[in-house]
Amino acid sequence: EAQVTQNPRYLITVTGKKLTVTCSQNMNHEYMSWYRQDPGLGLRQIYYSMNVEVTDKGDVPEGYKVSRKEKRNFPLILESPSPNQTSLYFCASSPVDGSLYEQYFGPGTRLTVT
Amino acid sequence: GESVGLHLPTLSVQEGDNSIINCAYSNSASDYFIWYKQESGKGPQFIIDIRSNMDKRQGQRVTVLLNKTVKHLSLQIAATQPGDSAVYFCAVPPGGGGKLIFGQGTELSVKP
Repeated sequence: EAQVTQNPRYLITVTGKKLTVTCSQNMNHEYMSWYRQDPGLGLRQIYYSMNVEVTDKGDVPEGYKVSRKEKRNFPLILESPSPNQTSLYFCASSPVDGSLYEQYFGPGTRLTVT
Repeated sequence: GESVGLHLPTLSVQEGDNSIINCAYSNSASDYFIWYKQESGKGPQFIIDIRSNMDKRQGQRVTVLLNKTVKHLSLQIAATQPGDSAVYFCAVPPGGGGKLIFGQGTELSVKP
C-alpha cells in the first residue's frame, strides 16, 4: 500500500530534550515536506526537500533541522524543543514531475513539549 | 510574501445541497492553486488543483473556479454528502517551487 508513515504518532517530552520524528514514504517520491498545524493557523511549512541532499526552508524553520540522506526518509529534528513547538506535525511527499502539489500526507505526529 | 485567506472558518449545509468554499490570495503572479480536504484525525488529502491559465476545472462532484481579477478561488461541492464533512484548505505555491502556503481552512458540516 502506498503510504507515508510517521513515528512516533504521539510524543510528550520536556523542554530541551532532543528528539527526532521520522517520516518514510514507499512511493519513490522525490519531494518531501514537513508542516505543523496549530488551531487557527492552518498548516505552515517547516522544511521541504526536492530530492536527496537538497533541503530548503519553509515559512517556519526556526528551531527545526532536517536531513535527506535517502530518498524514502525525511526526519525532523528538534535539537532543543520548547513549549511553543507543541503542535501537530505532518510529513508529506509527492513526485516532482508535474504532480508536485498532489501531496500525500502522513497521519500526523502530536507533540507536546512541557 | 504570499498570503492565503479563507472567507469563512465554518460552513454548515444540508445534505444534498451544493457547498461553496471561498479562498483569497494576495500575489497576482501566483500560477497554481490547490484544494485539500482534511477529515477529523487524518492528514490532508489532495482534492483538485487549477493553473492560472484556466478559469474552471471540474472533478468528481467538485468544481474549482478561479477569478484572477479579484484574486479569488472557490471550491464547489455538488450534492454534498455527510462524507464531505471535513476542513477544506486552499494552498498556493509562491514562486512555483517546493514552498506551499496554506489558508486557515473552512470547516464544512453536513446536516442530514
